[in-house]
Amino acid sequence: SYELTQPPSVSVSPGQTARITCSGDALPKKYAYWYQQKSGQAPVLVIYEDSKRPSGIPERFSGSRSGTMATLTISGAQVEDEADYYCYSTDSSGMGVFGGGTKLTVL
Amino acid sequence: QVQLQESGPGLVKPSGTLSLTCAVSGGSITSSNWWSWVRQPPGKGLEWIGEIYHSGSTNYNPSLKSRVIISVDKSKNQFSLKLSSVTAADTAVYFCASLFDYWGQGTLVTVSS
Repeated sequence: SYELTQPPSVSVSPGQTARITCSGDALPKKYAYWYQQKSGQAPVLVIYEDSKRPSGIPERFSGSRSGTMATLTISGAQVEDEADYYCYSTDSSGMGVFGGGTKLTVL
Repeated sequence: QVQLQESGPGLVKPSGTLSLTCAVSGGSITSSNWWSWVRQPPGKGLEWIGEIYHSGSTNYNPSLKSRVIISVDKSKNQFSLKLSSVTAADTAVYFCASLFDYWGQGTLVTVSS
């Protein structure tokens, strides 16, 4: 079955740039989406279609995709950005799949 | 503002069927959205279960396909999930969502005798 691979954890100091990667064989042909999930809450979409930012999402969140890897970048990470982040995409047949998630620590 | 609300039993016996409903308010289920179910076991990551379009077209996670049915009731503006032959491994918070727009708050379903 298709898998998206993320690092389990990323740690940065406040104000630094955090980068979270997501790798998958179908990513060259499929969009990547990124969700932020804080403890006990539903996920919130922070990036869609590789690099677009939904209304209300701070400009410090950005996304990119190159080949089989998508990257979520948080420029100048804030303490409130500490959360779990998941990438999402589809396989070649259109089935959805989430990455395993990355715990971002900002301290 | 579209809102989604999951409802259903919080406790299901092993080998039984998990049944959840997602009520859509503030908008029509016949909009151009696919409506999805996602689950999250305690302390673990998100798992895509499947999705349905208002026409009734469905897509399912291959690992769950033999046990899952997702249906839509346009008259009630809601969609539903049935997961059969459940085990403790199906214990999770279940979310309904239009993945790129709206999510429900999630409901915990525990499989236990």
